[in-house]
Amino acid sequence: GQQVMQIPQYQHVQEGEDFTTYCNSSTTLSNIQWYKQRPGGHPVFLIQLVKSGEVKKQKRLTFQFGEAKKNSSLHITATQTTDVGTYFCAGNGNKLVFGAGTILRVKS
Amino acid sequence: EPEVTQTPSHQVTQMGQEVILRCVPISNHLYFYWYRQILGQKVEFLVSFYNNEISEKSEIFDDQFSVERPDGSNFTLKIRSTKLEDSAMYFCASSYGGGRTDTQYFGPGTRLTVL
Repeated sequence: GQQVMQIPQYQHVQEGEDFTTYCNSSTTLSNIQWYKQRPGGHPVFLIQLVKSGEVKKQKRLTFQFGEAKKNSSLHITATQTTDVGTYFCAGNGNKLVFGAGTILRVKS
Repeated sequence: EPEVTQTPSHQVTQMGQEVILRCVPISNHLYFYWYRQILGQKVEFLVSFYNNEISEKSEIFDDQFSVERPDGSNFTLKIRSTKLEDSAMYFCASSYGGGRTDTQYFGPGTRLTVL
């Protein structure tokens, strides 16, 4: 079945440093969605990418969808302590399949 | 802003007991979902529901699980005979459309602890 791999599992950065998480699907996706889950919270939808090669920005967050629509990345520029949490990608083939998530910790 | 609500926030039960987790999806949404997240692990799809029918389910969603929309607002997940490994956060989600580009909105979750 469809699998979505996400790396790294964990990243601990100094405040102000950049952060990137990568997502790779075993199958071509119709779209990919990104969610953020704060510690003890629930997944909150961030963005959806649909088109091959698409790049979207939300303030310090940059999201990319690969040309083959099988991989994606989320890049945070100049992390802040408010960025802490787990970032999940979710591949939408015929159902939403979540990656394992990347836990981001930011040291001030 | 409308949001998905879930009750209870935490449910503790004995192994073998039945539990019902409740969700109130966003009012004009038509598609409903249940997900499970075992502590420290990823979010796993359980089931999707539309027009009073299950539209898709995962291999996790076995005969011990059932879903129901008993009235116009609630969407429930029942586990008939809970096992220790059912301990997890259970998230309900809803979306207006069921298409692949439709955004799913998650509720705050119910933490189920099976003793």
